[in-house]
Amino acid sequence: NAGVMQNPRHLVRRRGQEARLRCSPMKGHSHVYWYRQLPEEGLKFMVYLQKENIIDESGMPKERFSAEFPKEGPSILRIQQVVRGDSAAYFCASSTQTGANYGYTFGSGTRLTVV
Amino acid sequence: DAKTTQPPSMDCAEGRAANLPCNHSTISGNEYVYWYRQIHSQGPQYIIHGLKNNETNEMASLIITEDRKSSTLILPHATLRDTAVYYCIVRVGGQAGTALIFGKGTTLSVSS
Repeated sequence: NAGVMQNPRHLVRRRGQEARLRCSPMKGHSHVYWYRQLPEEGLKFMVYLQKENIIDESGMPKERFSAEFPKEGPSILRIQQVVRGDSAAYFCASSTQTGANYGYTFGSGTRLTVV
Repeated sequence: DAKTTQPPSMDCAEGRAANLPCNHSTISGNEYVYWYRQIHSQGPQYIIHGLKNNETNEMASLIITEDRKSSTLILPHATLRDTAVYYCIVRVGGQAGTALIFGKGTTLSVSS
């Protein structure tokens, strides 16, 4: 039973380019959460999605960032016109509908470097 | 903001028990206490959670005070691989849609 799969593991983008980060939740999980971890800082919640719906995007920057979780396929975190400050580790987590009993399962993250 | 308070760092000798405290004085009756850890920039790993009874699994034990205002995570025989940042989080149970809010956690350093 594969865990939460994130790809790519490492992504390098030049300033102004677009970054697409993918997250495939665990089998049977219908809830996805994205977190960002800046260098030497803690994990910050960004967005919570269910299939085809954004439930809570209170942690998403207002501009350039978007997320989706289509009916088929992985969840995508998209960053347009990247800047150096976007360099961070981005983690995805998934849970079942009643995930409170054991919390979330996290992926290994995508390390984004903007040059 | 995180609703918990943890010491920023702790040291532990290999083979000894590591006791990590957490204060959550404003915890509500329907909020659970969760513990996660993050080993060297890997994805966070679930350890254990509880409501008011003490809990034990293969990784750790969780001791919650009777008034539920604080708890202690116990790693009974710490190893070098337990060196990590440990996060104590409170969250309403039964609702997958409430996001886990991470604080700064406790950096546990296990040494030989």
